[in-house]
Amino acid sequence: QKEVEQNSGPLSVPEGAIASLNCTYSDRGSQSFFWYRQYSGKSPELIMFIYSNGDKEDGRFTAQLNKASQYVSLLIRDSQPSDSATYLCAVTRNSGNTPLVFGKGTRLSVIA
Amino acid sequence: GAGVSQSPSNKVTEKGKDVELRCDPISGHTALYWYRQSLGQGLEFLIYFQGNSAPDKSGLPSDRFSAERTGGSVSTLTIQRTQQEDSAVYLCASSLSSVSSTYFGPGTRLTVT
Repeated sequence: QKEVEQNSGPLSVPEGAIASLNCTYSDRGSQSFFWYRQYSGKSPELIMFIYSNGDKEDGRFTAQLNKASQYVSLLIRDSQPSDSATYLCAVTRNSGNTPLVFGKGTRLSVIA
Repeated sequence: GAGVSQSPSNKVTEKGKDVELRCDPISGHTALYWYRQSLGQGLEFLIYFQGNSAPDKSGLPSDRFSAERTGGSVSTLTIQRTQQEDSAVYLCASSLSSVSSTYFGPGTRLTVT
């Protein structure tokens, strides 16, 4: 059974702080890792993907991957109230067209 | 079209009725996926199409669920004899050649009374 685990939250951080979202996965064959943001009542939108161990930065977002520990995280710097949403972690075994295995998501609340 | 579209946006049906949910993927996208999201849950994979064939239908929860895709474009998800546990948001997504280019539609909210 391929599983992706996330703390459901809510994770509350003050505006301007760093939000740290974590995800673990059970399938050691996983090769591609994704973070989606989902606002309430909306569909998920991709914000980051990472394939290699280490860090990948895109603006205020940094994805971190440790395949040995089967752990992937998302850091959001200078958090804004508009970042308040549910963040979904997803993994898959390859990078081509393939279904994703999603975690249940972590709800982030950024307090102004 | 500019994005993935789904219809209807909302569907209320009585237990035991059949429903059809439609997905129009982004033009040219060869892969199409159906997921569902129950209240407070993550996305649950249902079925994946590459062109008109379905190489992975492992997520369909029962034989009441079926899906087809025609012309490498539009897909229909059919749920027969709906049950209350089928109530969820059904999301369709499409991608061109890489899962990193997967885009989701707005979803169909299905309520079975």
